[in-house]
Amino acid sequence: AQSVAQPEDQVNVAEGNPLTVKCTYSVSGNPYLFWYVQYPNRGLQFLLKYITGDNLVKGSYGFEAEFNKSQTSFHLKKPSALVSDSALYFCAVRVLTGFQKLVFGTGTRLLVSP
Amino acid sequence: ETGVTQTPRHLVMGMTNKKSLKCEQHLGHNAMYWYKQSAKKPLELMFVYSLEERVENNSVPSRFSPECPNSSHLFLHLHTLQPEDSALYLCASSQLISAYGYTFGSGTRLTVV
Repeated sequence: AQSVAQPEDQVNVAEGNPLTVKCTYSVSGNPYLFWYVQYPNRGLQFLLKYITGDNLVKGSYGFEAEFNKSQTSFHLKKPSALVSDSALYFCAVRVLTGFQKLVFGTGTRLLVSP
Repeated sequence: ETGVTQTPRHLVMGMTNKKSLKCEQHLGHNAMYWYKQSAKKPLELMFVYSLEERVENNSVPSRFSPECPNSSHLFLHLHTLQPEDSALYLCASSQLISAYGYTFGSGTRLTVV
């Protein structure tokens, strides 16, 4: 089955420090991978995606993600965290079964302390 | 606004009530989705509509009844719900096959009392 795994329920980081939120995937064929962010009582907002090409993908709010085929990973990163980055982050993979659907990870809560 | 609008934002209903959640998109998308998000659980895909036809129903109890009257609107009709149905219900839309993922609404926070 095609899936993504987010091994950390929560990541804590101090403001100004770099952050990494981990995601690994299991898919057949070339993966389409996504990161979404969710603020309290809001829907999910698109951050970035990997389809093909450069393994380092840049997205919204200064976030980037690195696609690593050999490690089947797609970790989300930011060089310098902000308190306002505190939110729930979801990794997802596209599955095609005649139509597309996204399969989401369980989410990682990022807490950035002042 | 993300382009996908969900109403109401909050809903409190008794177990014997009947209510409906509404989702509307004007992005020209032709697929729409209902997800359920409960505390400390993964996002659960409930229903998928493709070109106004239901193409996926993930073992959702019959007390949830979706309706897609056209490509821009999606409803979730609720009746005789249980307290464990309390959750954030998210609607999303996309092109049928696309590299752009989904656009989500802000969700309806449902509380069943």
